[in-house]
Order: sequence, then structure tokens, then C-alpha cells
Amino acid sequence: GAGVSQSPSNKVTEKGKDVELRCDPISGHTALYWYRQSLGQGLEFLIYFQGNSAPDKSGLPSDRFSAERTGGSVSTLTIQRTQQEDSAVYLCASSPRDRTDTQYFGPGTRLTVL
Amino acid sequence: KNEVEQSPQNLTAQEGEFITINCSYSVGISALHWLQQHPGGGIVSLFMLSSGKKKHGRLIATINIQEKHSSLHITASHPRDSAVYICAVRFSGGGADGLTFGKGTHLIIQP
Repeated sequence: GAGVSQSPSNKVTEKGKDVELRCDPISGHTALYWYRQSLGQGLEFLIYFQGNSAPDKSGLPSDRFSAERTGGSVSTLTIQRTQQEDSAVYLCASSPRDRTDTQYFGPGTRLTVL
Repeated sequence: KNEVEQSPQNLTAQEGEFITINCSYSVGISALHWLQQHPGGGIVSLFMLSSGKKKHGRLIATINIQEKHSSLHITASHPRDSAVYICAVRFSGGGADGLTFGKGTHLIIQP
């Protein structure tokens, strides 16, 4: 079956612009996670969704970052007024029920802020 | 601070060698994950464990909860095993719902 998909695969933007990154989890998976992977910081947790609710937003680095999930499926991560330090690969993962399950990762979106 | 430490950071070995990658963490956890990331590729979950030992093919993962330590072993290593192996944990006791990651072990298996 289809895995986790993310779009776009690459995004180049200018400093100060807003960007939206999309994640389509595996069908039926209720838990969804956003992570980012950067050269300096490695992999970092951003936000966790259970259904459409986000019980844990503790990893969002600033109020420029927000995420939503609709219909218990697609999720969008929005970064406003992008900065160069936002350049990273943004990864989405999903799991069947909740945080106790194995996570299935998407291919990521590589974001470059010029 | 909740931390995950991996060793070694880099490992180069010959085909056929037995490989061990170590992971230690600072406080109690609910689960530990071993992940694999090939160059330019996505992340694949190899194991999730909270106690004991799991085996899948040539890969074995063990965890010692008391020692706060886990190991990933690869038997009869092959060049296709070359990848970055990442240990990740979900801390218990009200920590984040997401995973906290080690910095990864870059493994190269030479033919």
C-alpha cells in the first residue's frame, strides 16, 4: 500500500516568505508527527497530532511555526516569515493508533531559505 | 535534560564483520526505536522495543532498561548495510509525545 507522502519534495524560498509543507499519512493512521532534520541539530521533534488534535506542540521552535490537520488525514506545516535557520529537511511520520506504535516516515521536504 | 547518546559516531568495517552500535539515554523511557537512513533516502524504522531483545533477519536489537542502554547488532554485514543508524527514544514521565533522537552512527561496510 501507499506510504507516507510529502509535498513538495524540494522548496526554495526567499527569506521572509511564508511556506506550506504538506503531509499525507498512511490511510487510517490516526497519529501523525512532524520532525525536522538539519545539519547542525540532527533530528528534532516538532509536533504530534492524535486525530485532528495536537496534544503536544512542544517542539515548535517559534510562533512562526504552526501546523494543522484536517479530517484526521492530511496535515500542513506552515512557516511564516522564513529565516535562513529554517533551512532543513522536514519529515512527517504516521502511526496506526498513537505514540506507542511504530512510526512510518515520509521522504521529507527539503526547504532552502535564501 | 533528556538526552540520547550514540557510539560510535562513525564506523567502517569489512564485509562479513559483526557490527555493534550503542545507544544510551539519560532518564526513563517508554520505548526505544532503531531507525535506518540511507544516503539521500528516507528513514525506515527497524525496531521498536521497550524490553528484552528483537531479531529481524541479520539485525538484532537489545535493550537493558536498568542500565538505560540499547545495542543494535548486524551479523554478517554487507555493503548494502551501509547507512546512518539512528537511536530514538520516547521519554516517559510526561515528556514529549514525539521522539528524541541520537546523532546517528554512520556505518560503511567495505566489500
